[in-house]
Amino acid sequence: DVKVTQSSRYLVKRTGEKVFLECVQDMDHENMFWYRQDPGLGLRLIYFSYDVKMKEKGDIPEGYSVSREKKERFSLILESASTNQTSMYLCASTIAGTPYEQYFGPGTRLTVT
Amino acid sequence: DAKTTQPPSMDCAEGRAANLPCNHSTISGNEYVYWYRQIHSQGPQYIIHGLKNNETNEMASLIITEDRKSSTLILPHATLRDTAVYYCIVRAQHNFNKFYFGSGTKLNVKP
Repeated sequence: DVKVTQSSRYLVKRTGEKVFLECVQDMDHENMFWYRQDPGLGLRLIYFSYDVKMKEKGDIPEGYSVSREKKERFSLILESASTNQTSMYLCASTIAGTPYEQYFGPGTRLTVT
Repeated sequence: DAKTTQPPSMDCAEGRAANLPCNHSTISGNEYVYWYRQIHSQGPQYIIHGLKNNETNEMASLIITEDRKSSTLILPHATLRDTAVYYCIVRAQHNFNKFYFGSGTKLNVKP
């Protein structure tokens, strides 16, 4: 079974703090993704990576950065957290060549106060 | 990417087939239909996908109309654990962007 794990299920941070969200997958997948999910807005892609050290912007990259130093790990960074970044953050991975079958982690519910 | 329209909610009796419809009248020739579901407090789970032929796997069947403007996801014997929000997504296969889940259909499986 593919496992995608995220560092925290719940996180509370203050405005202006630097926030790191980590995602690890154990199936040697090439592609990894970060989404945020908000009521009424569905799932929106923040960044994705198709290889180590490679990254591409998604629909809403502003206020976020990412890091992929190892194939199994993809980190999402909020340089200076703001209240409008309060959301559910979901990480996903896929094998190259099968982009449709994304495996998702359990999500991190981030609250910025 | 084509937009999809799904009913906001549906009920289904346990053990019966659940048929979830999706309209995608603006679908393009290279766009696939994907179905995912999200059980409360969990990440989305891939179910099935198709281009123009009907597809079946261990979880569900996908019926796509001949004109490809609509599709139906069928869960043949729904269980209480199938209660979830089901998302129909239309996207070109290698288009990582615009993987927009929308609001989906909340399926309530009742005993």
